[in-house]
Amino acid sequence: QKEVEQDPGPLSVPEGAIVSLNCTYSNSAFQYFMWYRQYSRKGPELLMYTYSSGNKEDGRFTAQVDKSSKYISLFIRDSQPSDSATYLCAISSGNTPLVFGKGTRLSVIA
Amino acid sequence: DGGITQSPKYLFRKEGQNVTLSCEQNLNHDAMYWYRQDPGQGLRLIYYSQIVNDFQKGDIAEGYSVSREKKESFPLTVTSAQKNPTAFYLCASSKAPIQGYMNTEAFFGQGTRLTVV
Repeated sequence: QKEVEQDPGPLSVPEGAIVSLNCTYSNSAFQYFMWYRQYSRKGPELLMYTYSSGNKEDGRFTAQVDKSSKYISLFIRDSQPSDSATYLCAISSGNTPLVFGKGTRLSVIA
Repeated sequence: DGGITQSPKYLFRKEGQNVTLSCEQNLNHDAMYWYRQDPGQGLRLIYYSQIVNDFQKGDIAEGYSVSREKKESFPLTVTSAQKNPTAFYLCASSKAPIQGYMNTEAFFGQGTRLTVV
C-alpha cells in the first residue's frame, strides 16, 4: 500500500462549481498536511497547511483533515478558470521530508 | 526577493554524460531537497540535507549525487549511472528549527527540465 493515494483525474468542472479533491494515507504518524498547486511546467506553490484534524479556510479554499479515517480534502468554492492546475497533497510526520500524492489535474471550463 | 533559484531551466544531456543542476536559496533555510517528477508519478525524493556537510538518500537516489558545502546551495549531479534521467527536477527548502525536525512548509524552485538526447 502506497503511503499517500490521490486520484490523478483529470477532473473537469464548469466555472463556479465547487471542487472536491481528496487524498488518503496509511501512516498514522503523519500529522502535518499540505496542499500544493502546480501550474504546467512550473514549481509547486504552497496553497494550504494544516496540522492535526479539523478545517482551515482561506478565501475560496478549505482544507479538511480527518485523522480517524486518514483522509484529507481540499474544497474550492466558486471555481475559476485560473484554478486550472494540478493539485498535490503532501504529508509529513515532522521529522521526515514531505511525501506527495501523484496529483490531481483540474480543469475549470469557462 | 527571497526565494529558490534553479538553473538552467532546460538542460540536454548526451548518453554517458554527467550533468549538474544548480539550486540556490536565500531564505536562510536549513533543509534542502531534490525531487524528481515524471508524468503520472508525482514527486519522488532523490536526496535531502538538513545541515551543511550532511545529506541523506531519498527513495530514488541511485544514479544521483549531491553536495552541501554551503547553507544556500544544494547542487544535484545526474550521473551516467542514471539510466532514465529525462524528467522534471525540483529543488525545495524548508526551515529546520529543531535538529532532526523539518519545518513541513517546503518551498519550491521553478524546476529544471532535463532531456537525454
